[in-house]
Amino acid sequence: GAVVSQHPSRVICKSGTSVKIECRSLDFQATTMFWYRQFPKQSLMLMATSNEGSKATYEQGVEKDKFLINHASLTLSTLTVTSAHPEDSSFYICSARDLGTGNTGELFFGEGSRLTVL
Amino acid sequence: AQTVTQSQPEMSVQEAETVTLSCTYDTSESNYYLFWYKQPPSRQMILVIRQEAYKQQNATENRFSVNFQKAAKSFSLKISDSQLGDTAMYFCAFMGGTSGSRLTFGEGTQLTVNP
Repeated sequence: GAVVSQHPSRVICKSGTSVKIECRSLDFQATTMFWYRQFPKQSLMLMATSNEGSKATYEQGVEKDKFLINHASLTLSTLTVTSAHPEDSSFYICSARDLGTGNTGELFFGEGSRLTVL
Repeated sequence: AQTVTQSQPEMSVQEAETVTLSCTYDTSESNYYLFWYKQPPSRQMILVIRQEAYKQQNATENRFSVNFQKAAKSFSLKISDSQLGDTAMYFCAFMGGTSGSRLTFGEGTQLTVNP
């Protein structure tokens, strides 16, 4: 199946700094990628839909100025957590759909990135 | 809005036995996809099985099969011959035909396979 890679897998930062997480589709093009947040022992919550060449679409309650999303190419989307605070500590996961495989509905997930804000 | 409900937070099964995980959903759409994803301790999301709503036949992937009851909006996962490697969090997920690939996840069921 298609491969989605996230980097970094783990990151620790100080409160007030910004952190960038990358999501890459390695062997396919993805016009749309999705960013999720997952707290321990909870489900995945969709944060935003990243659209190549246009603005991201944020879910209700997600601060767009806090979580900046850029999708500048068909294989890369980035999530920047700005002015991070301890409450932003979480597991962030991205996913992408390989349109080249037809309308199978399947999304491919990255390995996730664990953010810890001190 | 669509909702997905998994009423079993935790389940356990003995190795080699069969276990069924429950999932119900609510939608007004007629065309959609349903999925079961597995999330082992590594946190990597792995697709277990997929079902298209327009297909009446239940999907099967080796030891994994579903019981899709469209009228009842039920989508349960049966794992046969359970293996220790099946220990993971299992998420039921819904994707509407008009949702642009947005997934709605259930709360998850933590399955433990005991030796």
